[in-house]
Amino acid sequence: AIQMTQSPSSLSASVGDRVTITCRASQDIRNDLGWYQQIPGKAPKLLIYAASSLQSGVPSRFSASGSGTDFTLTISSLQPEDFATYYCLQDYTYPYTFGQGTKLEIK
Amino acid sequence: QVQLVQSGAEVKEPGASVKVSCKASGYTFTNYYMDWVRLAPGQGLEWMGIINLNTGGASYAQTFQGRLTMTRDTSTSTVYMELSSLRSEDTAVYYCARETRIVSVALFDYWGQGTLVTVSS
Repeated sequence: AIQMTQSPSSLSASVGDRVTITCRASQDIRNDLGWYQQIPGKAPKLLIYAASSLQSGVPSRFSASGSGTDFTLTISSLQPEDFATYYCLQDYTYPYTFGQGTKLEIK
Repeated sequence: QVQLVQSGAEVKEPGASVKVSCKASGYTFTNYYMDWVRLAPGQGLEWMGIINLNTGGASYAQTFQGRLTMTRDTSTSTVYMELSSLRSEDTAVYYCARETRIVSVALFDYWGQGTLVTVSS
């Protein structure tokens, strides 16, 4: 199975900060990667698909890039509602695999 | 509007089975796939498997091979996830997620509300 390694595993930041989360695949996955946001008690939410395409309705402060094995998710100016856990997911091949998550906390 | 509505919370004893349902509405059921994902306490999201809602064919993560069965009922637009031989480590919130495919790209664009399954004696 393809391993997805996210970093950092946790991150403290303030409202207005710019943050970047990275995800590395154990093999080339082209651009078959999505980013999901999970708020405790709620279902995960799709933010980004195909490595860099913003899902409809997602604020433009979210952006992402990458291809092959290295990917990043950037939030340009953190808002209070952005404090959550973020996961990457490779959909290149079965079994799909998630990164271990990055918990974004308020500093 | 697209909705995925899951069945309610379950409490099961170790060794038992659980069957969680996910009723879809607001779109053409058989044009999509459905995935199941779980979130155990203190853990991250874990992909369990996928079912093709047109053919009924399914693929499961190796972790669950032999214990997991996904089925669908096209007459009621409902997907079922059955996990057997439950152990305490299966305590988690289970989610269904509609998978949309755009050429080779897959996205989980709609999710159920989650079903808490507690395994305890």
